[in-house]
Amino acid sequence: DAGVTQSPTHLIKTRGQQVTLRCSPKSGHDTVSWYQQALGQGPQFIFQYYEEEERQRGNFPDRFSGHQFPNYSSELNVNALLLGDSALYLCASSRRDRDYEQYFGPGTRLTVT
Amino acid sequence: AQSVTQLGSHVSVSEGALVLLRCNYSSSVPPYLFWYVQYPNQGLQLLLKYTSAATLVKGINGFEAEFKKSETSFHLTKPSAHMSDAAEYFCAVYTGTASKLTFGTGTRLQVTL
Repeated sequence: DAGVTQSPTHLIKTRGQQVTLRCSPKSGHDTVSWYQQALGQGPQFIFQYYEEEERQRGNFPDRFSGHQFPNYSSELNVNALLLGDSALYLCASSRRDRDYEQYFGPGTRLTVT
Repeated sequence: AQSVTQLGSHVSVSEGALVLLRCNYSSSVPPYLFWYVQYPNQGLQLLLKYTSAATLVKGINGFEAEFKKSETSFHLTKPSAHMSDAAEYFCAVYTGTASKLTFGTGTRLQVTL
């Protein structure tokens, strides 16, 4: 049973550029949440997607956007990258009826220079 | 708003000694609480969860946690530490209205010979 997968593993971008991160949920899961984990911190909730729509959003600017596809996979897009966007980006999947039980992928390490 | 506080950013124990990682929560409603473990350069793995059933929760790798409402605590314990337990541990609370996990700042567990 494949768990949550994310790509790419690592990414280096320059300030002002745009980036797209990808996530495939665990089999049987229909809900995807994205978190940002800065160095030495706990993960912070960015947003959640269900039925191809953004359902909940944390305290992140509009530069952060996402998408969910019919197969439940998801993308996280970040525009106009800032140095402060450097972090580990974690994708978590869950079943809508057990949304509290979230399973995390290995993350994408984004470095902005 | 629901939150968790982890006391001690670093804990060091000898192999075979008791592991105790502290977590206190703040919640206006009965909380769902979680412990996750993060090994270097990896995502988060769910150790155990409390969802208002038994107050003593057993998880993977010999870990357990006890929900104490009177103390608003959900401390993680393991009777005998193993070298492989060295990792970062995060306590989290689920906010149903926002469909998100709110994490503590983490505790790094070091296990020495």
